Amino acid sequence: DIQMTQSPASLSASLEEIVTITCQASQDIGNWLSWYQQKPGKSPQLLIYGATSLADGVPSRFSGSRSGTQYSLKISRLQVEDIGIYYCLQAYSAPPTFGGGTKLELK
Amino acid sequence: EVQLVESGGGLVQPGRSLKLSCVASGFTFSNYGMNWIRQAPGKGLEWVAYISSGSSYIYYAETVKGRFTISRDNAKNTLYLQMTSLRSEDTALYYCARRGIRGTYYFDYWGQGVMVTVSS
Repeated sequence: DIQMTQSPASLSASLEEIVTITCQASQDIGNWLSWYQQKPGKSPQLLIYGATSLADGVPSRFSGSRSGTQYSLKISRLQVEDIGIYYCLQAYSAPPTFGGGTKLELK
Repeated sequence: EVQLVESGGGLVQPGRSLKLSCVASGFTFSNYGMNWIRQAPGKGLEWVAYISSGSSYIYYAETVKGRFTISRDNAKNTLYLQMTSLRSEDTALYYCARRGIRGTYYFDYWGQGVMVTVSS
């Protein structure tokens, strides 16, 4: 199975700060990478698909990028409503595998 | 508005069976592949199973292969997960999720989840 190593596991940031979360794939996965946000007590929501495409209705402060087998999710100006746990997902090969998650908190 | 509503969860003894349902609305269910994904209490996400729009392609995680069966009834806009020989490690919140159709494989809509607790 392809392993997705997500970092950091937890992150504390201030409002309006730039936040970056990364996922390292254990092998080439092309652009078969998506990002999800899970707010406390809620189901996950799609943020980014195809490594860089913004999902419908997602604020433009979220963006995704790729450098080789490293993928990044950037929040350009952190807002209160961005607090939660973030997961990456690779679906290049079966089984689809999630990163371990990044818990984002307000400083 | 796309909606996915799971049901059928509950407390079940180890070794017993349970069947989950997910009723879809707000989109043409028969056009989309569907998935089950689970989340153990306080843990991360684990993909469980996938079924294509016409049921031609079905895949399972190794942890549930041979014990779980995914199926769908497009006439009823409903996705199912039949779970047998349940184990304590199957305790989780189970989500149904729709596969997005813009190129790559991702989950664009998720249900609210249904809790399955396996305990004696």
